[in-house]
Amino acid sequence: EVQLVETGGGLIQPGGSLRVSCAASGFTVSSHYMGWVRQAPGQGLEWVSVIYAGGHTSYPDSVKGRFTISRDNAKNTLYLQMNSLRAEDTAVYYCATNYESSGYYSFDYWGQGTLVTVSS
Amino acid sequence: QSALTQPRSVSGSPGQSVTISCTGTSSDVGDYDYVSWYQQHPGKAPKLMIYDVTKRPSGVPDRFSGSKSGNTGSLTISGLQAEDEADYYCCSYVGYYSLVFGGGTTLTVL
Repeated sequence: EVQLVETGGGLIQPGGSLRVSCAASGFTVSSHYMGWVRQAPGQGLEWVSVIYAGGHTSYPDSVKGRFTISRDNAKNTLYLQMNSLRAEDTAVYYCATNYESSGYYSFDYWGQGTLVTVSS
Repeated sequence: QSALTQPRSVSGSPGQSVTISCTGTSSDVGDYDYVSWYQQHPGKAPKLMIYDVTKRPSGVPDRFSGSKSGNTGSLTISGLQAEDEADYYCCSYVGYYSLVFGGGTTLTVL
């Protein structure tokens, strides 16, 4: 059974750094398209980053240069390193993957999300 | 990259059909057949309902269908049921390995 479990969220001051993790089971992280999507309180979904099976990564301008997506194949875990955090980064961060559907550009399995709050 | 445009809300009665639109540009929705749709109930993670414009993941009822015309993608839900009441988001590939979501649409089943 495919499962994604995010951890690492919490309260962080503006300008600080935080790393959230996504432990995967039931499939191999390195073989699938994976990404992070966030949702600010009461707002819509926003794409944050993706990593392709081949290792290529991509980010929107809103987080480019501040956030880094990576994976640990031995731990079968996806990470999102967030630096220079701003109040507008406050959101629930979801980890997601494309496991059964076509190879890219959609996510058919999601974690439960982890809340990141940026505030002084 | 600007968010795709969706109506803020739509509504329908049980048994009826509703269509939610998702308007982009010739650089995103109009240029790629990679529009997907997600359903999200309050407090829950999103669920994939349609991918690659028209394809349904296993387990999604065939009451849900997707289409695209020009720069606008559409999600149609036929035979509305109470459990379809949720927020719906479209998403499109926009090139250069990137994605963009729509602003979301709240579906109310009257």
